[in-house]
Amino acid sequence: AQRVTQPEKLLSVFKGAPVELKCNYSYSGSPELFWYVQYSRQRLQLLLRHISRESIKGFTADLNKGETSFHLKKPFAQEEDSAMYYCALSDSWGKLQFGAGTQVVVTP
Amino acid sequence: GAVVSQHPSRVICKSGTSVKIECRSLDFQATTMFWYRQFPKQSLMLMATSNEGSKATYEQGVEKDKFLINHASLTLSTLTVTSAHPEDSSFYICSAKPGSLVNEQFFGPGTRLTVL
Repeated sequence: AQRVTQPEKLLSVFKGAPVELKCNYSYSGSPELFWYVQYSRQRLQLLLRHISRESIKGFTADLNKGETSFHLKKPFAQEEDSAMYYCALSDSWGKLQFGAGTQVVVTP
Repeated sequence: GAVVSQHPSRVICKSGTSVKIECRSLDFQATTMFWYRQFPKQSLMLMATSNEGSKATYEQGVEKDKFLINHASLTLSTLTVTSAHPEDSSFYICSAKPGSLVNEQFFGPGTRLTVL
């Protein structure tokens, strides 16, 4: 069965500190993983997808198949990074399974 | 580009009535739309996949007779909650996937349903 685990419900960091959001998955096929972000009172939007291998807003995420992880990292957190972050796994039909989400609070 | 709208944004109804929620892709054609449900402080749970011109496929545990989905055009999918009850109160979110090779979904702003 496919599963996405985000162990941290809340992550509180100081501005300028590194932040890492953990995501582990289980999937029998070849996974396609995403990070979505939801800012306060806004809709869910795509932040990163593993196949793009890009950095968006300073965030990066590397797929580690050996550890079945797709952790999201940013070296220097900014106040505008405060949001809800969801890790998601897509199956071969394009259906998304979301993790429970991690609320990030960046304090000045 | 890639904007998805939902209407209404908020609806309050009496128990036993039916409520229709619309999901539109405004600037692209969506061969596939998805409907999610989100309870307070919880993650999104996929309810069903809506394919234009064919029947929706429902996730396990989702009653298809309760949550009627129609995807009559490439830009519109509707979710009708039939005979709504207080336990159906939730945040309903749709997403749309362009008919391309890119596996990406664009999300609507959600509809808050409250059943009294």
